[in-house]
Amino acid sequence: GNSVTQMEGPVTLSEEAFLTINCTYTATGYPSLFWYVQYPGEGLQLLLKATKADDKGSNKGFEATYRKETTSFHLEKGSVQVSDSAVYFCALSRDDKIIFGKGTRLHILP
Amino acid sequence: GAVVSQHPSRVICKSGTSVKIECRSLDFQATTMFWYRQFPKQSLMLMATSNEGSKATYEQGVEKDKFLINHASLTLSTLTVASAHPEDSSFYICSAGRGQGMSGYTFGSGTRLTVV
Repeated sequence: GNSVTQMEGPVTLSEEAFLTINCTYTATGYPSLFWYVQYPGEGLQLLLKATKADDKGSNKGFEATYRKETTSFHLEKGSVQVSDSAVYFCALSRDDKIIFGKGTRLHILP
Repeated sequence: GAVVSQHPSRVICKSGTSVKIECRSLDFQATTMFWYRQFPKQSLMLMATSNEGSKATYEQGVEKDKFLINHASLTLSTLTVASAHPEDSSFYICSAGRGQGMSGYTFGSGTRLTVV
């Protein structure tokens, strides 16, 4: 079946550090891939998406590339800020349903 | 635009009582709403898909008689946890959309249910 695996947290980084949160997926066919972010006390927000192989989604300095050959969609940011502290969910969409990873909590220290 | 309001944000109830959670699309008409449940340190798990005016479609393993979903209008879907027990304690979150593909769905802020 379809599934998403992402690295467990929490991840703690200093401000301006480079961030990578790994995400791999298992799916039939060609799913769409997403990263969602949940800031403290708020609901989930779409951060970025990619709908086909080799697409790169980007938003707010975050990037992720849809890698069909490695079934991955790793989230990266070159220089994190304290305001990036949140929980990040990798997700795939197939057949009009979203399947989420477990979420990775990110702490950025000033 | 595309705001989804979920209420209540937190609820504590006694075992055996029923709890209703509302999910409202405030500035758009939602043809489809999804209900998710998140166990501690687990993924968000899809419970059911709710289409306005029709019966909800439940995922395998989700008890229809325990988790009652009503999507009576294009702006409101409700999830009722019937005869709640401590094992039903969880974080419930809805999402609503206009059918523009999955990126067109907006999530509510979630409801933390604690059954004592």
